[in-house]
Amino acid sequence: AQTVTQSQPEMSVQEAETVTLSCTYDTSESDYYLFWYKQPPSRQMILVIRQEAYKQQNATENRFSVNFQKAAKSFSLKISDSQLGDAAMYFCAYPNSGGSNYKLTFGKGTLLTVNP
Amino acid sequence: GAGVSQSPSNKVTEKGKDVELRCDPISGHTALYWYRQRLGQGLEFLIYFQGNSAPDKSGLPSDRFSAERTGESVSTLTIQRTQQEDSAVYLCASSFAGGLGYTFGSGTRLTVV
Repeated sequence: AQTVTQSQPEMSVQEAETVTLSCTYDTSESDYYLFWYKQPPSRQMILVIRQEAYKQQNATENRFSVNFQKAAKSFSLKISDSQLGDAAMYFCAYPNSGGSNYKLTFGKGTLLTVNP
Repeated sequence: GAGVSQSPSNKVTEKGKDVELRCDPISGHTALYWYRQRLGQGLEFLIYFQGNSAPDKSGLPSDRFSAERTGESVSTLTIQRTQQEDSAVYLCASSFAGGLGYTFGSGTRLTVV
């Protein structure tokens, strides 16, 4: 079975500082996508960033970037210049392999608190 | 519509009762997904609809759970004879043609008392 592991149940960061959330996964595939989702108290899952495994360059979306280490199967999310609105649950996700790649396997999440 | 709409937002039901949860996907999205999120957990896949193809029901936890979707429109998730372990947030998402660019709704929080 596929696994996605987020080893930090909770993290906190001071406003304007940088924080990194970790994620590891298990796969035998060579080409795949990885995702980070944000879930604020409104409950809606919002896609933050995605990485294509065949691309060596780490994905970046404004203040959000990833550190993708394919050999280590590690996919961490870095949030720079943290803002109060970044406070949320963050989930790492990975599609199933083969013909059911429409299904995502999620980690258990990291609750991020941003302190003013 | 502009986004994925789910109703009700919250539902409290007595153990043993049936409940029906509704999802209205984004217009034009042929794929629709249901996920369950238990307290403190990540999302678990329940079911996938793609156009008129047979749905992937492999994530449904028991035969008390069923879901329907007519064409590319509204979907309903029905839980019969609810149990306390069914308490969770049920999230619906839609996308184009099974692509991974999901748009999620805000979910239905189900509490079974």
